[in-house]
Amino acid sequence: DADVTQTPRNRITKTGKRIMLECSQTKGHDRMYWYRQDPGLGLRLIYYSFDVKDINKGEISDGYSVSRQAQAKFSLSLESAIPNQTALYFCATRGGRDANTGELFFGEGSRLTVL
Amino acid sequence: AQSVTQLDSQVPVFEEAPVELRCNYSSSVSVYLFWYVQYPNQGLQLLLKYLSGSTLVESINGFEAEFNKSQTSFHLRKPSVHISDTAEYFCAVSKYSSASKIIFGSGTRLSIRP
Repeated sequence: DADVTQTPRNRITKTGKRIMLECSQTKGHDRMYWYRQDPGLGLRLIYYSFDVKDINKGEISDGYSVSRQAQAKFSLSLESAIPNQTALYFCATRGGRDANTGELFFGEGSRLTVL
Repeated sequence: AQSVTQLDSQVPVFEEAPVELRCNYSSSVSVYLFWYVQYPNQGLQLLLKYLSGSTLVESINGFEAEFNKSQTSFHLRKPSVHISDTAEYFCAVSKYSSASKIIFGSGTRLSIRP
Protein backbone atom coordinates (compact mmCIF):
# COMPACT_ATOMS: atom_id res chain seq x y z
CA ASP A 1 0.00 0.00 0.00
CA ALA A 2 1.14 3.53 -0.77
CA ASP A 3 2.35 5.69 2.10
CA VAL A 4 0.39 8.69 0.77
CA THR A 5 -3.00 7.86 -0.72
CA GLN A 6 -5.18 10.25 -2.67
CA THR A 7 -8.83 9.75 -3.58
CA PRO A 8 -10.31 10.03 -6.10
CA ARG A 9 -7.57 9.49 -8.67
CA ASN A 10 -9.69 10.92 -11.46
CA ARG A 11 -12.79 13.09 -11.33
CA ILE A 12 -14.83 14.92 -13.91
CA THR A 13 -17.32 17.45 -12.63
CA LYS A 14 -19.32 20.47 -13.75
CA THR A 15 -18.89 24.13 -13.04
CA GLY A 16 -20.40 25.13 -9.73
CA LYS A 17 -20.22 21.72 -8.09
CA ARG A 18 -18.54 21.14 -4.74
CA ILE A 19 -15.60 18.77 -4.88
CA MET A 20 -13.48 17.23 -2.15
CA LEU A 21 -10.12 15.58 -2.70
CA GLU A 22 -8.88 13.45 0.15
CA CYS A 23 -5.41 12.53 1.28
CA SER A 24 -4.34 10.06 3.93
CA GLN A 25 -0.86 9.04 5.00
CA THR A 26 0.69 6.23 7.00
CA LYS A 27 4.12 7.84 7.43
CA GLY A 28 3.30 9.50 10.74
CA HIS A 29 4.37 12.89 9.37
CA ASP A 30 3.06 16.09 10.90
CA ARG A 31 3.35 18.32 7.83
CA MET A 32 0.95 17.87 4.94
CA TYR A 33 0.62 19.82 1.68
CA TRP A 34 -1.63 20.32 -1.30
CA TYR A 35 -0.15 21.36 -4.64
CA ARG A 36 -1.63 21.69 -8.09
CA GLN A 37 0.33 20.93 -11.24
CA ASP A 38 -0.38 22.63 -14.55
CA PRO A 39 1.66 22.20 -17.76
CA GLY A 40 4.31 24.88 -17.99
CA LEU A 41 3.60 26.19 -14.49
CA GLY A 42 5.08 23.42 -12.39
CA LEU A 43 3.69 22.80 -8.92
CA ARG A 44 2.03 25.60 -7.03
CA LEU A 45 1.39 25.41 -3.31
CA ILE A 46 -2.28 25.73 -2.30
CA TYR A 47 -2.24 25.04 1.45
CA TYR A 48 0.01 23.39 3.98
CA SER A 49 -0.49 22.24 7.54
CA PHE A 50 1.80 21.63 10.50
CA ASP A 51 -0.83 19.80 12.51
CA VAL A 52 -4.59 19.67 12.98
CA LYS A 53 -4.67 23.17 14.46
CA ASP A 54 -2.22 24.87 12.13
CA ILE A 55 -3.26 25.57 8.53
CA ASN A 56 -1.38 27.95 6.27
CA LYS A 57 -2.16 29.47 2.89
CA GLY A 58 0.20 28.84 0.03
CA GLU A 59 0.69 30.69 -3.26
CA ILE A 60 -2.78 30.13 -4.71
CA SER A 61 -5.34 29.47 -1.97
CA ASP A 62 -8.23 31.49 -3.44
CA GLY A 63 -11.11 29.22 -4.41
CA TYR A 64 -9.89 26.38 -2.19
CA SER A 65 -10.33 25.34 1.43
CA VAL A 66 -8.78 22.57 3.47
CA SER A 67 -9.50 20.50 6.51
CA ARG A 68 -6.99 18.60 8.64
CA GLN A 69 -9.29 16.06 10.26
CA ALA A 70 -6.48 14.14 11.94
CA GLN A 71 -2.72 13.99 11.73
CA ALA A 72 -3.06 11.45 8.94
CA LYS A 73 -5.80 13.13 6.90
CA PHE A 74 -5.81 16.37 4.92
CA SER A 75 -8.67 17.20 2.56
CA LEU A 76 -8.88 19.83 -0.15
CA SER A 77 -12.25 21.28 -1.12
CA LEU A 78 -13.41 23.32 -4.06
CA GLU A 79 -16.66 24.90 -2.89
CA SER A 80 -17.78 25.90 -6.38
CA ALA A 81 -15.55 24.43 -9.06
CA ILE A 82 -14.62 26.44 -12.13
CA PRO A 83 -12.91 25.30 -15.35
CA ASN A 84 -9.56 26.92 -14.54
CA GLN A 85 -9.31 24.62 -11.55
CA THR A 86 -8.83 21.75 -13.97
CA ALA A 87 -5.44 20.37 -12.99
CA LEU A 88 -3.50 17.52 -11.44
CA TYR A 89 -3.53 17.83 -7.66
CA PHE A 90 -0.86 16.36 -5.42
CA CYS A 91 -0.85 15.75 -1.71
CA ALA A 92 2.53 15.50 0.01
CA THR A 93 3.86 14.90 3.51
CA ARG A 94 7.03 15.70 5.39
CA GLY A 95 8.14 14.99 8.93
CA GLY A 96 10.30 13.03 11.29
CA ARG A 97 13.80 14.16 12.17
CA ASP A 98 14.06 16.14 8.94
CA ALA A 99 10.75 17.92 9.21
CA ASN A 100 12.24 21.21 8.02
CA THR A 101 14.74 19.95 5.49
CA GLY A 102 13.71 16.48 4.44
CA GLU A 103 12.03 14.97 1.47
CA LEU A 104 8.45 15.65 0.50
CA PHE A 105 6.63 12.36 -0.08
CA PHE A 106 4.00 12.69 -2.78
CA GLY A 107 0.82 10.81 -3.49
CA GLU A 108 0.04 9.61 -6.99
CA GLY A 109 -2.10 12.61 -7.82
CA SER A 110 -5.78 13.36 -8.40
CA ARG A 111 -6.70 14.51 -11.88
CA LEU A 112 -9.64 16.90 -11.76
CA THR A 113 -11.52 18.10 -14.82
CA VAL A 114 -14.11 20.85 -14.47
CA LEU A 115 -16.43 21.20 -17.46
CA ALA B 1 8.87 36.31 -1.45
CA GLN B 2 10.96 33.46 -2.70
CA SER B 3 10.64 32.29 -6.27
CA VAL B 4 12.27 29.79 -8.55
CA THR B 5 13.00 30.14 -12.26
CA GLN B 6 13.80 27.23 -14.49
CA LEU B 7 15.02 28.78 -17.68
CA ASP B 8 14.37 25.85 -20.02
CA SER B 9 10.98 24.20 -20.34
CA GLN B 10 12.38 21.41 -22.51
CA VAL B 11 15.88 20.02 -23.01
CA PRO B 12 16.45 17.39 -25.71
CA VAL B 13 19.78 15.55 -25.63
CA PHE B 14 21.29 12.45 -27.14
CA GLU B 15 21.97 9.42 -25.01
CA GLU B 16 25.39 9.49 -23.31
CA ALA B 17 25.68 13.26 -23.86
CA PRO B 18 26.12 15.66 -20.92
CA VAL B 19 23.22 17.78 -19.74
CA GLU B 20 22.68 20.84 -17.57
CA LEU B 21 19.27 21.92 -16.28
CA ARG B 22 19.29 25.48 -15.04
CA CYS B 23 17.66 26.81 -11.90
CA ASN B 24 17.82 30.30 -10.41
CA TYR B 25 16.11 31.43 -7.26
CA SER B 26 15.32 34.80 -5.76
CA SER B 27 15.56 35.26 -2.04
CA SER B 28 17.32 37.76 0.14
CA VAL B 29 17.79 35.26 2.94
CA SER B 30 19.38 31.85 3.34
CA VAL B 31 17.60 29.02 1.59
CA TYR B 32 17.43 25.28 1.25
CA LEU B 33 17.45 24.02 -2.34
CA PHE B 34 16.08 20.82 -3.87
CA TRP B 35 15.78 19.00 -7.15
CA TYR B 36 12.85 16.64 -7.63
CA VAL B 37 12.21 14.27 -10.54
CA GLN B 38 8.86 13.18 -11.94
CA TYR B 39 8.84 10.11 -14.14
CA PRO B 40 5.86 9.69 -16.50
CA ASN B 41 2.55 9.16 -14.70
CA GLN B 42 4.13 9.29 -11.25
CA GLY B 43 4.43 11.68 -8.36
CA LEU B 44 7.62 13.58 -7.59
CA GLN B 45 10.68 12.07 -5.91
CA LEU B 46 13.60 13.84 -4.29
CA LEU B 47 16.75 13.70 -6.40
CA LEU B 48 19.13 15.73 -4.24
CA LYS B 49 19.22 18.70 -1.87
CA TYR B 50 21.51 21.42 -0.61
CA LEU B 51 21.18 22.42 3.04
CA SER B 52 24.59 23.79 3.99
CA GLY B 53 28.29 23.00 3.77
CA SER B 54 29.81 21.73 0.53
CA THR B 55 28.26 23.54 -2.41
CA LEU B 56 28.39 20.45 -4.63
CA VAL B 57 25.81 17.78 -3.89
CA GLU B 58 25.32 14.46 -5.64
CA SER B 59 22.55 11.93 -6.17
CA ILE B 60 22.91 8.17 -6.27
CA ASN B 61 22.21 8.00 -10.01
CA GLY B 62 24.97 10.30 -11.23
CA PHE B 63 23.34 13.72 -11.08
CA GLU B 64 25.00 16.58 -9.25
CA ALA B 65 24.08 20.17 -8.50
CA GLU B 66 26.16 23.10 -7.38
CA PHE B 67 24.92 25.87 -5.13
CA ASN B 68 26.24 29.25 -6.27
CA LYS B 69 25.26 31.93 -3.81
CA SER B 70 26.61 34.88 -5.80
CA GLN B 71 24.63 33.86 -8.87
CA THR B 72 21.67 32.53 -6.85
CA SER B 73 21.75 29.37 -8.93
CA PHE B 74 21.45 25.64 -8.32
CA HIS B 75 22.00 24.04 -11.73
CA LEU B 76 21.64 20.28 -12.16
CA ARG B 77 24.17 18.37 -14.26
CA LYS B 78 24.91 14.87 -15.43
CA PRO B 79 28.01 14.01 -17.50
CA SER B 80 26.34 11.20 -19.46
CA VAL B 81 22.57 10.69 -19.63
CA HIS B 82 20.67 7.46 -20.13
CA ILE B 83 17.28 6.79 -21.68
CA SER B 84 15.96 6.08 -18.18
CA ASP B 85 16.66 9.71 -17.20
CA THR B 86 13.74 10.83 -19.36
CA ALA B 87 11.52 12.73 -16.93
CA GLU B 88 10.50 16.18 -15.77
CA TYR B 89 12.81 17.85 -13.29
CA PHE B 90 11.72 20.45 -10.75
CA CYS B 91 13.86 22.81 -8.74
CA ALA B 92 12.45 23.89 -5.37
CA VAL B 93 13.40 26.31 -2.60
CA SER B 94 12.47 27.04 0.98
CA LYS B 95 13.73 29.74 3.31
CA TYR B 96 15.47 28.91 6.58
CA SER B 97 12.89 31.01 8.41
CA SER B 98 9.88 29.25 6.87
CA ALA B 99 11.34 25.94 5.90
CA SER B 100 8.00 24.21 5.61
CA LYS B 101 6.88 26.45 2.75
CA ILE B 102 8.43 24.85 -0.33
CA ILE B 103 8.10 26.62 -3.66
CA PHE B 104 8.67 24.83 -6.96
CA GLY B 105 9.84 26.02 -10.35
CA SER B 106 7.92 25.42 -13.56
CA GLY B 107 9.87 22.29 -14.45
CA THR B 108 12.20 21.17 -17.25
CA ARG B 109 11.26 18.23 -19.42
CA LEU B 110 14.36 16.20 -20.27
CA SER B 111 14.00 14.03 -23.35
CA ILE B 112 16.73 11.60 -24.31
CA ARG B 113 17.23 10.57 -27.93
CA PRO B 114 18.93 7.26 -28.72
